[in-house]
Amino acid sequence: EAGVAQSPRYKIIEKRQSVAFWCNPISGHATLYWYQQILGQGPKLLIQFQNNGVVDDSQLPKDRFSAERLKGVDSTLKIQPAKLEDSAVYLCASSDNYRLGGFNTGELFFGEGSRLTVL
Amino acid sequence: TQLLEQSPQFLSIQEGENLTVYCNSSSVFSSLQWYRQEPGEGPVLLVTVVTGGEVKKLKRLTFQFGDARKDSSLHITAAQPGDTGLYLCAGGPPGTYKYIFGTGTRLKVLA
Repeated sequence: EAGVAQSPRYKIIEKRQSVAFWCNPISGHATLYWYQQILGQGPKLLIQFQNNGVVDDSQLPKDRFSAERLKGVDSTLKIQPAKLEDSAVYLCASSDNYRLGGFNTGELFFGEGSRLTVL
Repeated sequence: TQLLEQSPQFLSIQEGENLTVYCNSSSVFSSLQWYRQEPGEGPVLLVTVVTGGEVKKLKRLTFQFGDARKDSSLHITAAQPGDTGLYLCAGGPPGTYKYIFGTGTRLKVLA
């Protein structure tokens, strides 16, 4: 089974430039997540999609970040304009969410991430 | 805002030693997961616990979910160099399929 694919793996840009990251989730996974992981920290959820709809984007800096999942499959995360503090690894994950013992849960399958350096 | 605090932040031990990592919150979670992440890769799921007080064992790793569903612990017996990595807990707020990650514990096991 193919895993979560992300590209590019690495990107270096100047501040105020724009950048886009692409993610193709595991086939059949309806839920897709974008996380930001700053060096040495745990991943921070930016946005959660269910099919092509946004479920949660409360932590997404909407003045500069945007994300879409137009056909409910692959997704793009864009940053414009980039700031120095956006330097991080951007992780995409998809999930086979289900209920277990009456509770919501599921396994997140992550891609290798896209490492962004803003100079 | 729901936060998951992990302790310790860093841990460097000798091969064969035991260790415990803690994951604490003031919020209740439907499920609590533990992931391990190696450099240049995404996190990989180790275990999911959903019942308060639940204990799960995975070879030398023992996971526990607190009775109040607000905290969890990961215990490793006889650590090996292959256990080296970043350990992350992740909580699922009730009624959602959202996963909030903890601050992380970086473990290094020396041969």
